[in-house]
Amino acid sequence: EVVMTQSPATLSVSPGARATLSCKASLSVTNNLAWYQQKPGQAPRLLIYGASTRAAGIPARFSGSGSGTDFTLTISRLQSEDFAVYYCLQYNNWYSFGQGTKLEIK
Amino acid sequence: QVQLVESGGGVVQPGRSLRLSCATSGFTFSTYGMHWVRQAPGKGLEWVAVISNDGNNNYYADSVKGRFTISRDNSKNTLYLQMNSLRAEDTAVYSCARDTIFDVWGQGTTVTVSS
Repeated sequence: EVVMTQSPATLSVSPGARATLSCKASLSVTNNLAWYQQKPGQAPRLLIYGASTRAAGIPARFSGSGSGTDFTLTISRLQSEDFAVYYCLQYNNWYSFGQGTKLEIK
Repeated sequence: QVQLVESGGGVVQPGRSLRLSCATSGFTFSTYGMHWVRQAPGKGLEWVAVISNDGNNNYYADSVKGRFTISRDNSKNTLYLQMNSLRAEDTAVYSCARDTIFDVWGQGTTVTVSS
């Protein structure tokens, strides 16, 4: 089983600033890594797949990077609608989610 | 538009069974693998099961293996999850999701296992 570890658990950032979220895999998942945004009471929304490819309709301020075991989601110029919980998912060795990072307003 | 709508949740006693459904529309269901994912109250996402587009292959998380069965009816564009021997720790919102990258999600149906 591949264990996905996200950090930090909570990230406090001011609107307009940049947020950097981390996701580490217990073994290599190559680039089979996706990122999701979830707001309270809503279904998760796919942001990034293939570690760095933005899903349809996702703004350019969202970017993903990394390969192997270390991945990063960067949100530049944070807007009010970006404050949410973010999950990473590996789909290289079956499937496993990280525990989530809550992005809150500072 | 692409839509996934879950149903079948409810309150059930430990040890009993429940069958969830995920009705789909807006895409060619028979060409996509499908997943079930759950989220316990206040917790993160947990992958539960996956089924291939033709229904011939399915795989499960260790936490549900031997108790849950994923299936599909491509003629009805519907995905199912049969849940047997339910436990308190199965209490969660259960959602279906499309394809390897979980690109489309339903809103979920709530399952509560309690005596």
